[in-house]
Amino acid sequence: QSALTQPASVSGSPGQSITISCTGTSSDVGGYNYVSWYQQHPGKAPKLMIYEVSNRPSGVSNRFSGSKSGNTASLTISGLQAEDEADYYCSSYTSSTLVVFGGGTKLTVL
Amino acid sequence: EVQLVESGGGLVQPGGSLRLSCAASGFTFSSYAMHWVRQAPGKGLEYVSAISSNGGSTYYANSVKGRFTISRDNSKNTLYLQMGSLRAEDMAVYYCAREGGSYYDFDYWGQGTLVTVSS
Repeated sequence: QSALTQPASVSGSPGQSITISCTGTSSDVGGYNYVSWYQQHPGKAPKLMIYEVSNRPSGVSNRFSGSKSGNTASLTISGLQAEDEADYYCSSYTSSTLVVFGGGTKLTVL
Repeated sequence: EVQLVESGGGLVQPGGSLRLSCAASGFTFSSYAMHWVRQAPGKGLEYVSAISSNGGSTYYANSVKGRFTISRDNSKNTLYLQMGSLRAEDMAVYYCAREGGSYYDFDYWGQGTLVTVSS
């Protein structure tokens, strides 16, 4: 099971919107609505930001939104803030290996 | 408040063994499936192992199958990962994580414990 494909890095200025893609296959992202997104600041544990493609856990800002089309899921962050600078990982349920993560995307707020 | 606190990491020689623990509090531990996820230095997240809420079902990634054993003691609210035949590529921060209400999303994570495999 290969890792899901994410861009290595994205950047944006404060107030702008950015989108991070996460591409898999019909065996994972495309086959199930069980895509999650995690935010990880340096030296910290990951934090769940989105689950089931587009649902936000309690306490997560509504500036974070998720979507999916075919085998590609996306995380959009609107109104970028300095505190959003972090690594972001997608994950998906997969029938073969239970969970597969993306390689991670480093978000830089310019 | 949900808390997961890992312990047991450290320096171990190649071929050696180590047991990680994850102490849970703030929720009904016996009601949740639990997982281990690791992260090699400077690398991404890698899924390692899972155990059902009652311990009756377990899963291992191919990279650790036959070498690692996941278990839990619901009376002690503690999750374990027994690691054996350790290799250099097992060196990572190991996180325990609680499975949330959906399918294999992890809504709470511990702070991680570092396992260093080196001679």
